[in-house]
Amino acid sequence: QKEVEQDPGPLSVPEGAIVSLNCTYSNSAFQYFMWYRQYSRKGPELLMYTYSSGNKEDGRFTAQVDKSSKYISLFIRDSQPSDSATYLCAMITNAGKSTFGDGTTLTVKP
Amino acid sequence: GAGVSQSPSNKVTEKGKDVELRCDPISGHTALYWYRQRLGQGLEFLIYFQGNSAPDKSGLPSDRFSAERTGESVSTLTIQRTQQEDSAVYLCASSLGSRGAQTEAFFGQGTRLTVV
Repeated sequence: QKEVEQDPGPLSVPEGAIVSLNCTYSNSAFQYFMWYRQYSRKGPELLMYTYSSGNKEDGRFTAQVDKSSKYISLFIRDSQPSDSATYLCAMITNAGKSTFGDGTTLTVKP
Repeated sequence: GAGVSQSPSNKVTEKGKDVELRCDPISGHTALYWYRQRLGQGLEFLIYFQGNSAPDKSGLPSDRFSAERTGESVSTLTIQRTQQEDSAVYLCASSLGSRGAQTEAFFGQGTRLTVV
C-alpha cells in the first residue's frame, strides 16, 4: 500500500463549478501538507501548504487537513479553464522526507 | 536566470548508453533535490543536497544512478547503462535553507528522458 493515495481522476467539470481534490495517507509522521499544480510539460508549482491540521484559504483555493482521519483536501471555487492541470498532493515529515501522490488531472470546460 | 533551469529539455538515448542531466538552481538556494516522475505518477525522490553536507542518496533506485553538486551551484544527475524503465521526466528543485523548507521549493521544467 502506498503511503499517500490520491483520488485518481480524471476530473472534468464545467466552468464555475466547485472542485474537490483529495488525498489520504498512512504515515502519521507527516507534518507538512502541500498541493502542487502541474501544467502539461512543466514542473510542479506550489499552490499552498499547511502545517499540521486545519484550513488555509488563498483566493479561490482552500486547503484542509484532518490529521485524525489522515485526509487532506483542496477545494477550488469558481473553477476556471486556466485551472485545468494535474494537481499533486505532497507530504513531508519533520525529518524532511517527502512523498507525493500520483496526481489528479482536472479539466475545466468553458 | 530567475528560476531553476534544467537541460536538456528532452533527451532520447539508446538503451545501454550513459546520460547526464543538468540542473542550475536559483542563485543562493542551498538545498537541491532531484525527483523522477513516471508517466501518470507522482514524484519519486532521488537525492537531496544541502550545502556542503553529505547528500541524502536514499532515493536512488540503483547504482547506475549518481549525482554531484559542487557547493551551492550546478548539479548533474548521471544515469549509466540506461534501461527502458529509466524513461521518465527528471525534475530538479531548489530551496533556501534546510530540508524542511521543501514547502518553498521551486521546480525546473524537467528533462524528459526516453530510452529506446
